[in-house]
Amino acid sequence: NAGVMQNPRHLVRRRGQEARLRCSPMKGHSHVYWYRQLPEEGLKFMVYLQKENIIDESGMPKERFSAEFPKEGPSILRIQQVVRGDSAAYFCASSPYSDSGANVLTFGAGSRLTVL
Amino acid sequence: DQQVKQNSPSLSVQEGRISILNCDYTNSMFDYFLWYKKYPAEGPTFLISISSIKDKNEDGRFTVFLNKSAKHLSLHIVPSQPGDSAVYFCAASALPSGGSNYKLTFGKGTLLTVNP
Repeated sequence: NAGVMQNPRHLVRRRGQEARLRCSPMKGHSHVYWYRQLPEEGLKFMVYLQKENIIDESGMPKERFSAEFPKEGPSILRIQQVVRGDSAAYFCASSPYSDSGANVLTFGAGSRLTVL
Repeated sequence: DQQVKQNSPSLSVQEGRISILNCDYTNSMFDYFLWYKKYPAEGPTFLISISSIKDKNEDGRFTVFLNKSAKHLSLHIVPSQPGDSAVYFCAASALPSGGSNYKLTFGKGTLLTVNP
């Protein structure tokens, strides 16, 4: 039973390019979350998605960032026109359906984005 | 505005002794707390959690203590093993009514080194 799969593990982009990070949740998990870890910081919530729906994007920067979780295929975090400050580790997590109560997130290994 | 603080960036202990990792929080709305462990190049792995209605939760060698009045929690590892060497993140959330606690606020982490 594979865990949360993220790719690429490492991505290098020049300023102004686009970055696409992919995440496949654990089998049986229908909820996906993206977190970002800047250097020397803790992880920070970005967005929560279910299939074809964005549930909560309150942690997403208002510009250049978008996320989707289509009916088929992985969840995608897209960063347009990257800047050096976007350099970070981006972690995806998933969880099974739970409409209430404590919810343990299972994290992937992360995608490390470096912007030159 | 750091709502979850781990004031010790690192901790070093001898194998077989107790490791105590500390965490303070400022948001009185937090009512669910988790500890995650992270090895290099891997994602955070859930370790143990505690809800605000309890003051202690134990799982094998790991015990989490919660002092709500002091807004403080700690993770005890007894006995410590070299394989426990990792970064430990404290995380907290506020359980919304009828919802689930996907929005975790993380501390910056404490690097634990257990020496053989």
